[in-house]
Amino acid sequence: GENVEQHPSTLSVQEGDSAVIKCTYSDSASNYFPWYKQELGKRPQLIIDIRSNVGEKKDQRIAVTLNKTAKHFSLHITETQPEDSAVYFCAASIKNNKLIFGAGTRLAVHP
Amino acid sequence: DTAVSQTPKYLVTQMGNDKSIKCEQNLGHDTMYWYKQDSKKFLKIMFSYNNKELIINETVPNRFSPKSPDKAHLNLHINSLELGDSAVYFCASSHGQGTTGELFFGEGSRLTVL
Repeated sequence: GENVEQHPSTLSVQEGDSAVIKCTYSDSASNYFPWYKQELGKRPQLIIDIRSNVGEKKDQRIAVTLNKTAKHFSLHITETQPEDSAVYFCAASIKNNKLIFGAGTRLAVHP
Repeated sequence: DTAVSQTPKYLVTQMGNDKSIKCEQNLGHDTMYWYKQDSKKFLKIMFSYNNKELIINETVPNRFSPKSPDKAHLNLHINSLELGDSAVYFCASSHGQGTTGELFFGEGSRLTVL
């Protein structure tokens, strides 16, 4: 069945360093790829998304890249700050109006 | 004003009991969802309703029964609760029926079954 794999499951960086989280998807018809951030005890919130007609999108310190041929997409966070510490989820749209989430990456940014 | 609100926030109950979680959104969205987040943080869709009509029903035990009295409300009733039902249940809404728009999540309802 369709699935989304996300790596790494945990990521620890020093403040100011960059963080990269990678996801792969299996459904070649997927055309929408959002990223959600979930802080401890809070709700998931959309931070950036990309559609299949675009290869890269940037919003201040975060960027997402998409490689449709390889069926993978990545989240890049530059100049990380302690408040970036959270669980990040990638997701991909599949048929029947479903959004499949990756298993999440726990990012810890150390001051 | 809270966009997607769900109650209760915490629910502790015994195995075998029946419980309900309520959800309301004031965003004017057409589609509402229930997601389950287990202890490993995995987010999995359970149900989706569009304008009160069920459009997604994942392989969820039939002890779980969603009800949408109108497009702003989606409730979840769970019968004969089991230990494995312990999780955080998130309600969410989005504009339109497709999956190409932002999901707005509620704060979650943490269910603990003893």
